[in-house]
Amino acid sequence: LAKTTQPISMDSYEGQEVNITCSHNNIATNDYITWYQQFPSQGPRFIIQGYKTKVTNEVASLFIPADRKSSTLSLPRVSLSDTAVYYCLVGMNRDDKIIFGKGTRLHILP
Amino acid sequence: DTEVTQTPKHLVMGMTNKKSLKCEQHMGHRAMYWYKQKAKKPPELMFVYSYEKLSINESVPSRFSPECPNSSLLNLHLHALQPEDSALYLCASSQVKREGRGNEQFFGPGTRLTVL
Repeated sequence: LAKTTQPISMDSYEGQEVNITCSHNNIATNDYITWYQQFPSQGPRFIIQGYKTKVTNEVASLFIPADRKSSTLSLPRVSLSDTAVYYCLVGMNRDDKIIFGKGTRLHILP
Repeated sequence: DTEVTQTPKHLVMGMTNKKSLKCEQHMGHRAMYWYKQKAKKPPELMFVYSYEKLSINESVPSRFSPECPNSSLLNLHLHALQPEDSALYLCASSQVKREGRGNEQFFGPGTRLTVL
């Protein structure tokens, strides 16, 4: 499974757009990129998944450049409730296995 | 129903006790997982069941014993645990792997375990 590198923590303010970048230099041809969100004392929650270019859903957007060696999760107009840990995962899940990296602790300030 | 439920929410046990954690889902998922999460660390995979059969054991000590009695239920039997086993235990489920893409895993809220 490809190793991922994310910032350990980020601060932002309510109403701002937040972009969290994940590096995955050894991503394989068939790997998808998946992001999860985890609030304290809760299980992680799937946010978004993509393979290339841009994916958007009601929660976030995921930008993936042509070389796919990085990806950026974009959260539009964040609120205090977006304070959480965000995990970037890369892999084919060929054996139903996902490995969580260290994640990014996002803290939204009023 | 897109929910994974876990019981109990909290569990305190002594090192000589035997207890069980339970997990249930009714989404028709045939892959179920146990993770362990220590404070301020990412979840660590422990076990994977696929079609009610154990497919992955991440070298977990035998004091943790998983069981999948049917496609909706997953148990984790605990015996002779150590204080360092205190953690949040998360259950998850998903569709069985689809070639070429990751499967969304649905997580339960976890059981907060304290071993005294």
